Order: sequence, then C-alpha cells, then structure tokens
Amino acid sequence: ETGVTQSPTHLIKTRGQQVTLRCSSQSGHNTVSWYQQALGQGPQFIFQYYREEENGRGNFPPRFSGLQFPNYSSELNVNALELDDSALYLCASSQDRGAHEQYFGPGTRLTVT
Amino acid sequence: GQSLEQPSEVTAVEGAIVQINCTYQTSGFYGLSWYQQHDGGAPTFLSYNALDGLEETGRFSSFLSRSDSYGYLLLQELQMKDSASYFCAVFAGTALIFGKGTTLSVSS
Repeated sequence: ETGVTQSPTHLIKTRGQQVTLRCSSQSGHNTVSWYQQALGQGPQFIFQYYREEENGRGNFPPRFSGLQFPNYSSELNVNALELDDSALYLCASSQDRGAHEQYFGPGTRLTVT
Repeated sequence: GQSLEQPSEVTAVEGAIVQINCTYQTSGFYGLSWYQQHDGGAPTFLSYNALDGLEETGRFSSFLSRSDSYGYLLLQELQMKDSASYFCAVFAGTALIFGKGTTLSVSS
C-alpha cells in the first residue's frame, strides 16, 4: 500500500509568481485535503476535494485554487505569491469525505522571497 | 470563532507519564483527534474520540468530555522517540481544525 506522496519537497519562489504543488493520495482514498502550516503553528485547512469537486473551503483567498484528477491525485495552485505564503503545505487523503482519519504526506516547504 | 487551546511546551523524563490538555470552541464538532508530528514532517494520526470517555491505544490514551469542550492525550512509559509536537484537532465533518500544538521534550 503506497502512502501519500507530495512533490516537490522544497520550492523557492519570488513574490508575485505562481506555484503548483502536487499530491498523490493513498491507494483506495477518494478524498484529498490541503493544509497550510506556518512555522510554529498548527496546520490550517485550505480546501478539500472529493471525486474531483471542491467539498469545503477554509478562510483562504481565491488565489488559492485546486484540482483533483480521476485517479484522485490533486494539485494546489497559488497565484500572486506573497511573503506570508511561505509555509509547509500538507496534503492529506482519506477514504471518504466524511472520514475523520486523514493520512498526511510529508509536505512541500515553500519559501517566498 | 473557532479556537483550540493547548500548552505550548511540556517536558518529562523517560518512563514518566504526561498529559496534554486541549480545550476547544468551534462552530461544528464531530469529534476530537490527536496527531503527532516530528520535526515538521508528516502529522500522523494517534487517536479519535467522538463520544465522551477514554480511548486506549497501547501507551497512548485519549479522553473527551463534550459537555466541558475538553479533552486530553495521556502518554505513558515515555520514550525518547516520543519527543515531538502533538496537536489536538476538532473534526468538523470535512476539515480538521488544529490547535497550535504542544512540543513534548523527553529527556533521559
């Protein structure tokens, strides 16, 4: 059974640029959630995708967008990067949209300069 | 608003018992989860309480009181490898709403 994987591991971008982060969900999981974790803080919910549709969104602006593909992998896109977007971005998959147990990937460390 | 409060740091020695408390105030509540995270790696699921009472999983136990909006994680027979950040998180039906985390340092 393959766990949740994310790419890239690390990324450095300049303010104003755009970035795409990728996530492969665990085998058998159809739901993917994205979280942003700033240094010294807990993860904050960005949004969730269930069967290619957005199924809930946290308090993040529209420049944070996502996609889920038929194989349940997912992308997080962030436009017009700001310095405060520097964080660890975590992807989590679960068996269903109402499942409380979420399996996290190792994250992508994004630095915006 | 939504908020979860937990201590920022806890220290203990090997073999000891430690309790990490969590109080919450959220608009939606299905249950309380606990996650462990080593050095900014992937958070890993430890336990979940949907109903009042104690859940035991090996050396770890978790408790919930819905009427008091309170829970705790109890770690027994502490080992050096238990040094990590521990997060309580309210499951709100879709999202997990996390606290700021408690850093546990275990010394020999």
